Amino acid sequence: QLQLQEAGPRLVKPSETLSLTCTVSGGSFNNYYWSWIRQPPGKGLEWIGYVYYRGTTNYNPSLKNRVTISIDTSRNLFSLKMSSVTAADTAFYYCAREDPYGSRPGFDYWGQGALVTVSS
Amino acid sequence: AIRMTQSPSSLSASTGDRVTITCRASQGIGNFLAWYQQKPGKAPKFLIFAASTLQSGVPARFSGSGSGTDFTLTISSLQSADFATYYCQQYFSFPRTFGQGTTVEI
Repeated sequence: QLQLQEAGPRLVKPSETLSLTCTVSGGSFNNYYWSWIRQPPGKGLEWIGYVYYRGTTNYNPSLKNRVTISIDTSRNLFSLKMSSVTAADTAFYYCAREDPYGSRPGFDYWGQGALVTVSS
Repeated sequence: AIRMTQSPSSLSASTGDRVTITCRASQGIGNFLAWYQQKPGKAPKFLIFAASTLQSGVPARFSGSGSGTDFTLTISSLQSADFATYYCQQYFSFPRTFGQGTTVEI
């Protein structure tokens, strides 16, 4: 059974960089999009972007200038960095797998989520 | 970006009720639509893809329909486990976008 687990600091100061990793266990990286999705407390879901297993990326234009997603297949993890954060970036951050070419398109596996608070 | 609009934003229902949630896309997306269920404090759960195909293990009381711009999620007989927030999501194009959510409450 595939499992995803977010890790990283839960408190980040304004103007600094948010950094999270997602460790993937129980399955392969190949042929999937590995995504980050966030959800401010009490609000809806926003797709941040993905990294393909070969390293190509695609970001939400609303966040593109501040976001970097990378992958390290040797360590079975992918990462999110978001620069110049403000209080508006306080949210639950989920990592998720998307199967774009297979038989079940959509985000089929999710991490449990990490609440990251931006505050001084 | 394709805008996804759900209605209603919330609804009150009772166990055994038939519940229908609507999702409208700002442009045609074929059947490139997924539905998710989210309970408080939990990650979303993948319910339906291709607008109407149930993910493995999802009870048959859930069904999805629609294509183009208009879609529905129906729960034929609401169970206590179904009280949650439901989101639609398009995967026709990037950026991936979600509806704002529909909360099903007692």
